[in-house]
Amino acid sequence: QKEVEQDPGPLSVPEGAIVSLNCTYSNSAFQYFMWYRQYSRKGPELLMYTYSSGNKEDGRFTAQVDKSSKYISLFIRDSQPSDSATYLCAMSGNFNKFYFGSGTKLNVKP
Amino acid sequence: DTAVSQTPKYLVTQMGNDKSIKCEQNLGHDTMYWYKQDSKKFLKIMFSYNNKELIINETVPNRFSPKSPDKAHLNLHINSLELGDSAVYFCASSPLAGREQYFGPGTRLTVT
Repeated sequence: QKEVEQDPGPLSVPEGAIVSLNCTYSNSAFQYFMWYRQYSRKGPELLMYTYSSGNKEDGRFTAQVDKSSKYISLFIRDSQPSDSATYLCAMSGNFNKFYFGSGTKLNVKP
Repeated sequence: DTAVSQTPKYLVTQMGNDKSIKCEQNLGHDTMYWYKQDSKKFLKIMFSYNNKELIINETVPNRFSPKSPDKAHLNLHINSLELGDSAVYFCASSPLAGREQYFGPGTRLTVT
């Protein structure tokens, strides 16, 4: 079993839709959770960073962590064509090693 | 100002050659990483250095040797390149071990 599972998609939505991206994980020691956006042929760009459970909002982006279910989500409101990219979740615990999901490819159609 | 930079951006070379990739960060971070991203976009950690000290060394062939001359630089040297080494290599840094990471633009390595 992989440490982090993420649906690869692709996920195709119309412009303006609310997008929900998710990851599940197996290691209860994880407590730092991140979402990255990666455009084609570019490096991953940090979008959201949360510690432990709860919600965090930044503009159109909301990150949720449910440690009891070992489930994290990223919501994108009012999605734009410029949001079309691959979204990677990542997590770590009380150690230096990060575990990444395989990424979900999102396509927002104008 | 580029926070995490890598050179070269593209590298095309033949099997058996030796090559190096350089990484520099100007964020003042203590921890730096090398990742390999395969064709399916999966990011796999290779090495991590904290303040010039190697703290993560994953199951990577010993043809790969990282070197950190100071905490702002982390280089990756690869000996005897093989076809399977073709991938995008990303350098990243974080303020503290285990915290959020900031990635460089990547080096696309193609071994022919």
